[in-house]
Amino acid sequence: GESVGLHLPTLSVQEGDNSIINCAYSNSASDYFIWYKQESGKGPQFIIDIRSNMDKRQGQRVTVLLNKTVKHLSLQIAATQPGDSAVYFCAENSNTGNQFYFGTGTSLTVIP
Amino acid sequence: SAVISQKPSRDICQRGTSLTIQCQVDSQVTMMFWYRQQPGQSLTLIATANQGSEATYESGFVIDKFPISRPNLTFSTLTVSNMSPEDSSIYLCSVARSGTYEQYFGPGTRLTVT
Repeated sequence: GESVGLHLPTLSVQEGDNSIINCAYSNSASDYFIWYKQESGKGPQFIIDIRSNMDKRQGQRVTVLLNKTVKHLSLQIAATQPGDSAVYFCAENSNTGNQFYFGTGTSLTVIP
Repeated sequence: SAVISQKPSRDICQRGTSLTIQCQVDSQVTMMFWYRQQPGQSLTLIATANQGSEATYESGFVIDKFPISRPNLTFSTLTVSNMSPEDSSIYLCSVARSGTYEQYFGPGTRLTVT
């Protein structure tokens, strides 16, 4: 499958600060990406998605940015809260079906 | 989204035995998938569970080791056969509806092989 990786395996931020989690992908033909949040002992939870024809998409307190030129994806979390502490994964669609390939994951810790 | 349940939630098994994991969805879905997540690692796609036909396996995974059933649009099973300690992982199913790429995950089955 495609290679999808993250720049930083761990990230610690102060409560109330903004968080930025980065992801690099390898398949320039990928046309859809999802960010997932995984809390300890649970399955991944869908946060936000973006299609390759967009470069930015906003949700509630989260923004995803896509830079196709350098094959880079980022997730920005505004006013980070303790409940945001989790592992975050980016996932890349194979563009030949519904198969997704996951990045390494970044563990976010929010310091109260 | 969809409500997805998995059984069992966890199990401890002896090497050489097999375990069948069930995935149940509260509504009909087109696509069902099985993933493996080894401790502290990311998710790796095992296979796509196709309703009415054989599952489609990813490179490195074979039907003899991970047989999959998909008898209808709300249910699938994954069997981990002839287990070894290296099979100790969390096994997750996910679903997606026709016309959308959005995938939603079950809570996972934590398998420990001794």
